[in-house]
Amino acid sequence: NAGVTQTPKFRVLKTGQSMTLLCAQDMNHEYMYWYRQDPGMGLRLIHYSVGEGTTAKGEVPDGYNVSRLKKQNFLLGLESAAPSQTSVYFCASSLGRMNTEAFFGQGTRLTVV
Amino acid sequence: AQSVTQLDSQVPVFEEAPVELRCNYSSSVSVYLFWYVQYPNQGLQLLLKYLSGSTLVESINGFEAEFNKSQTSFHLRKPSVHISDTAEYFCAVSDLRGAQKLVFGQGTRLTINP
Repeated sequence: NAGVTQTPKFRVLKTGQSMTLLCAQDMNHEYMYWYRQDPGMGLRLIHYSVGEGTTAKGEVPDGYNVSRLKKQNFLLGLESAAPSQTSVYFCASSLGRMNTEAFFGQGTRLTVV
Repeated sequence: AQSVTQLDSQVPVFEEAPVELRCNYSSSVSVYLFWYVQYPNQGLQLLLKYLSGSTLVESINGFEAEFNKSQTSFHLRKPSVHISDTAEYFCAVSDLRGAQKLVFGQGTRLTINP
């Protein structure tokens, strides 16, 4: 049982480049989330989804887009990377409804130079 | 809207000493409360949670946390720490309904010295 898998684990981008981070879960979870982790700021929610085909903005959505075409996958896109997007990105999923435990991936460390 | 404040960014303690990591939250609605742990270069793992019922909750590795509604706190404690407890600890809250998004505190880095 793989749980939540993030691809890639590390990436270095040049300013202005684009990329997509992939999150895949095999637990049949309804809800999926993208967070970014920065020193001294904890984790902040970028975007989330409460089901296949749905997405919504979180606390810090600017500069990111997401898609959830399949229930098991949640993609995070950066159209034009900026140094301020240097961070560690975590994907999480949960069953939803009254079961609120979230399961996290191992993270993607992104550096924008 | 909710917010979470972890009062200590770093806590150094000696092995086998007790430790308390403090967490206060603010919310206009009832919330669920969580402690997550992050070991070096890993993702977050759920340590324990308060949903309802008894205000004292325990984890399998000796941590406990007590929900105090009047003080809006959910402090994490362990009576005797081990080197393996070295990690960053995050307090979080979520709505009871809706998308149940987690709102995290800033994190507390627990360092155990031999």
